[in-house]
Amino acid sequence: AQTVTQSQPEMSVQEAETVTLSCTYDTSESDYYLFWYKQPPSRQMILVIRQEAYKQQNATENRFSVNFQKAAKSFSLKISDSQLGDAAMYFCAYRGATNKLIFGTGTLLAVQP
Amino acid sequence: DGGITQSPKYLFRKEGQNVTLSCEQNLNHDAMYWYRQDPGQGLRLIYYSQIVNDFQKGDIAEGYSVSREKKESFPLTVTSAQKNPTAFYLCASSITPTGKETQYFGPGTRLLVL
Repeated sequence: AQTVTQSQPEMSVQEAETVTLSCTYDTSESDYYLFWYKQPPSRQMILVIRQEAYKQQNATENRFSVNFQKAAKSFSLKISDSQLGDAAMYFCAYRGATNKLIFGTGTLLAVQP
Repeated sequence: DGGITQSPKYLFRKEGQNVTLSCEQNLNHDAMYWYRQDPGQGLRLIYYSQIVNDFQKGDIAEGYSVSREKKESFPLTVTSAQKNPTAFYLCASSITPTGKETQYFGPGTRLLVL
């Protein structure tokens, strides 16, 4: 069975600085998709970025980018120029052949002014 | 505006009572999902539906039931058989059920037991 691990329960970053959130996963599949979701205090899940496993190029969305290392089964999220509005819980998620979205336990990001 | 709505925002359940959580989407998505979120944990899949009049159990379906009579609607009933229902419930949808499609989430319902 596939698993997703986020080993950092909490992280903190200064406003305008860069922070990287870690995510590793375990799978025997070769074709899958990876996602980062943000859950602010409102608790609505918001898609931040997605990566297709067959693409070697790392996905980017404005200040958000990923470092996808397929061989190492690693999928970290980098947030550049951190803003106060980035403070939230961040979840890494995996979706493979079963079409089920499997979530990690989340990383709570605090942004210090 | 297109999106996913969930109601109510807060729901209180008495012992032995069945309660139903509403989820509606106007995105014309085929697939819909229900997740449960407990403190300190990620989301866990309860049920999902790939198409109208069809649904499958997820990882924690015991004590829950669903129906999918209309494409736009996927209500979740928390039955009295669910002994620990206090949690945050999130509904999601995607264009199709295939892995490449992103799931979009509603605002959630907080269920509390009296």
